Amino acid sequence: EAAVTQSPRNKVAVTGGKVTLSCNQTNNHNNMYWYRQDTGHGLRLIHYSYGAGSTEKGDIPDGYKASRPSQENFSLILELATPSQTSVYFCASGLTGNTGQLYFGEGSKLTVL
Amino acid sequence: GDSVTQTEGQVALSEEDFLTIHCNYSASGYPTLFWYVQYPGEGPQLLFRASRDKEKGSSRGFEATYDKGTTSFHLRKASVQESDSAVYYCALRNVGDNSKLIWGLGTSLVVNP
Repeated sequence: EAAVTQSPRNKVAVTGGKVTLSCNQTNNHNNMYWYRQDTGHGLRLIHYSYGAGSTEKGDIPDGYKASRPSQENFSLILELATPSQTSVYFCASGLTGNTGQLYFGEGSKLTVL
Repeated sequence: GDSVTQTEGQVALSEEDFLTIHCNYSASGYPTLFWYVQYPGEGPQLLFRASRDKEKGSSRGFEATYDKGTTSFHLRKASVQESDSAVYYCALRNVGDNSKLIWGLGTSLVVNP
């Protein structure tokens, strides 16, 4: 069974603080993704990665950085968190190929005060 | 660029009603089409996919047929249950773009007992 684990599941941060959301997958998938989910906007891609050491900008990368130190781990970093980054964040993994499905974690709810 | 349009933002039904959620896409080439389902408190998970014209995908009583002529992949179920209450996402992944899924905005289905 494919497994993607996110931490923390819930986080409250202050404006201007640094936040790191972590994701670990045991699927041995090449690709990993970070999305945010907001009412009225669906799932929006922030950053993604083709493999260890690579990160690519998604559709809404501003204010976010990403790090892929290994095949299994992919982090999303908010250096200076803002209230507009309050959201639910999902990590996903998947294989290369247009027919491949994505496997999602359970989400991390971030509130920036 | 490629896009996915889900007509209904919210659908409310009673148990045993017939469900249709409309999905139309715009894409160059020959994309793979997906339906994902997201239950409350969870990440999205694949419901099924289809890769060829006239191919029918199905799972858990849900089905959709890939129609290249009308560029549609409408989700249908003959008799919904309260447990089907969830958000449903239509998505596509195009040939030659191995990493990014293009998502619709999602349809929230509420089934009343």
